[in-house]
Amino acid sequence: AQSVAQPEDQVNVAEGNPLTVKCTYSVSGNPYLFWYVQYPNRGLQFLLKYITGDNLVKGSYGFEAEFNKSQTSFHLKKPSALVSDSALYFCAVRTGDTAGNNRKLIWGLGTSLAVNP
Amino acid sequence: EPEVTQTPSHQVTQMGQEVILRCVPISNHLYFYWYRQILGQKVEFLVSFYNNEISEKSEIFDDQFSVERPDGSNFTLKIRSTKLEDSAMYFCASSAWEVQYFGAGTRLSVL
Repeated sequence: AQSVAQPEDQVNVAEGNPLTVKCTYSVSGNPYLFWYVQYPNRGLQFLLKYITGDNLVKGSYGFEAEFNKSQTSFHLKKPSALVSDSALYFCAVRTGDTAGNNRKLIWGLGTSLAVNP
Repeated sequence: EPEVTQTPSHQVTQMGQEVILRCVPISNHLYFYWYRQILGQKVEFLVSFYNNEISEKSEIFDDQFSVERPDGSNFTLKIRSTKLEDSAMYFCASSAWEVQYFGAGTRLSVL
């Protein structure tokens, strides 16, 4: 069965320090991997994706993520955290079926990131 | 920047009533989705819609639920005879290809 795990409910980091939000996945076939961010009273906002190609993908607001096939991980990173990065972060996966079906996203529980001034 | 809009932002209803949640997807997108998130739980897929028909649905999406694209812009989720356990945040999304873009959600409270 497809699944996503975000092992940390909360991550705390000081402003200016690097941050990592962890994600591991289980999916049959090639994974399509996504990170979304949710600010209070806002929707799920797309940050970045891995479909194919370079294992390090760059996204919005200085975020990047590294795809590791052997460890089935897709950790979200940022070299220097900002207080405004404080939000809820979701990892999601779907299979790489390009036939048009099976596009549903499977989600992790989310990780609350708190960046302290 | 184009965005998915959902109305209302909060819907309160009595158990057993019917509700319709409305969504306006991004205009050039062809795939539409509904997800829900019960408080404290994972976001769950409900249904996807393409070419005027359901392309995939989850076990949650039983006969109580239906979706419709009544015109060229709206995408609706109807929940018949609501139950207490239907209380959740409902998210609409649309995509042109890989990336799904989400609305801000409708919080449904069933009393």
